[in-house]
Amino acid sequence: NAGVTQTPKFQVLKTGQSMTLQCAQDMNHEYMSWYRQDPGMGLRLIHYSVGAGITDQGEVPNGYNVSRSTTEDFPLRLLSAAPSQTSVYFCASSSWTGGASNQPQHFGDGTRLSIL
Amino acid sequence: AQSVTQLDSHVSVSEGTPVLLRCNYSSSYSPSLFWYVQHPNKGLQLLLKYTSAATLVKGINGFEAEFKKSETSFHLTKPSAHMSDAAEYFCVVREGSSNTGKLIFGQGTTLQVKP
Repeated sequence: NAGVTQTPKFQVLKTGQSMTLQCAQDMNHEYMSWYRQDPGMGLRLIHYSVGAGITDQGEVPNGYNVSRSTTEDFPLRLLSAAPSQTSVYFCASSSWTGGASNQPQHFGDGTRLSIL
Repeated sequence: AQSVTQLDSHVSVSEGTPVLLRCNYSSSYSPSLFWYVQHPNKGLQLLLKYTSAATLVKGINGFEAEFKKSETSFHLTKPSAHMSDAAEYFCVVREGSSNTGKLIFGQGTTLQVKP
């Protein structure tokens, strides 16, 4: 069972570079999301999607773009990397029954990103 | 607004002794509550979830949590700690007041298990 797959696992970038973090899930989940994890701050929502063609901003969207052309994939793009974006990024997915859904999210293993 | 507070940033227990990780939540709505565990350099794994069907929720690896509405708490317990339980634990509430499906995370509790 692949679940949620994130690539790459590690990446080092220079300030100003752009890159795309990949996320794919094989569970036919409608809901996908991106979080960043920083020490002492838990996980914070960057962007989310409730289905193909639908995306919206989370708590900390600045500097990031997303798209959802298929149910399976939800890439996260860093437009111009900044040292403040050094973090661990997690992609998650779940089935979706609306805002009050109690369906748990399934997480990938994360991408550890360093911006020099 | 919904929020989650994990009352201990670090808990240390001896192997074979009980584990208690404390979590309080604030919610204006009937909350969806979860506990996740994160082992080093790994993603988050669901331990258990509260579904309103029962206040005592059993999860994987012998963990359980009790939902107490009067105390707005959802503490995680395990009768006997194992070395493999050493990890970071997150209490999480799923925002039910909008359509974001946003998860609100506590700050995390690091569980250390001593031999």
